[in-house]
Amino acid sequence: DIQMTQSPSSLSASVGDRVSITCRASQSISSYLNWYQHKPGKAPRLLIYAASSLQSGVPSRFSGSGSGTDFTLTISSLQPEDFATYFCQQSHSTPRTFGQGTKVEIK
Amino acid sequence: QVQLQESGPGLVKPSETLSLTCSVSGASITAYYWSWIRQPPGKGLEWIGYIYYSGSTNYNPSLKSRVTISVGTSRQHFSLKLTSVTAADTAVYYCARELVSGYSDFWGQGTLVTVSS
Repeated sequence: DIQMTQSPSSLSASVGDRVSITCRASQSISSYLNWYQHKPGKAPRLLIYAASSLQSGVPSRFSGSGSGTDFTLTISSLQPEDFATYFCQQSHSTPRTFGQGTKVEIK
Repeated sequence: QVQLQESGPGLVKPSETLSLTCSVSGASITAYYWSWIRQPPGKGLEWIGYIYYSGSTNYNPSLKSRVTISVGTSRQHFSLKLTSVTAADTAVYYCARELVSGYSDFWGQGTLVTVSS
């Protein structure tokens, strides 16, 4: 299985801050990396697919970059509704595997 | 808008079979992959497997001997069966639609299943 290592596991930030979350794969996954946002009791929401493609309806402050084994999700200016848990997922091969998640909290 | 909703018992006894259904609205099951994912309390997400609308399946090897995913006859729902459950199977179970590129664009809200006597 491909192992996905996400960091940090949590972070505190203020509204307006630029935030970056990284995800590292245990082997090359090309650009088969997806990012999701998850709020308690709600369905996870797809933000970024194929490493850098913005899902329809997702604000442009979210962006993704990287290829191979190292990837980054960036929120350019954190908004109140962005406080949530973010996780990455590789879709290069099955079984699909996920990062452990990054909880973004209000400073 | 595509919506998915998980349903099923919230409590299952050890050694019994966990059965969940995912109801799909706003889209036909045709031409997509339909998956199950779970998250044990305090742990990360684990992919269980998926079914293609034609009926072909792909399961996580760690669960393969105990898992069956099937499409309902109405083709507006699909199901998960997990046999011989233990406390380690306690988790929030999610269903999701997976596109051919492997990402899941719609998810259900999840349902907590507790394995306990």
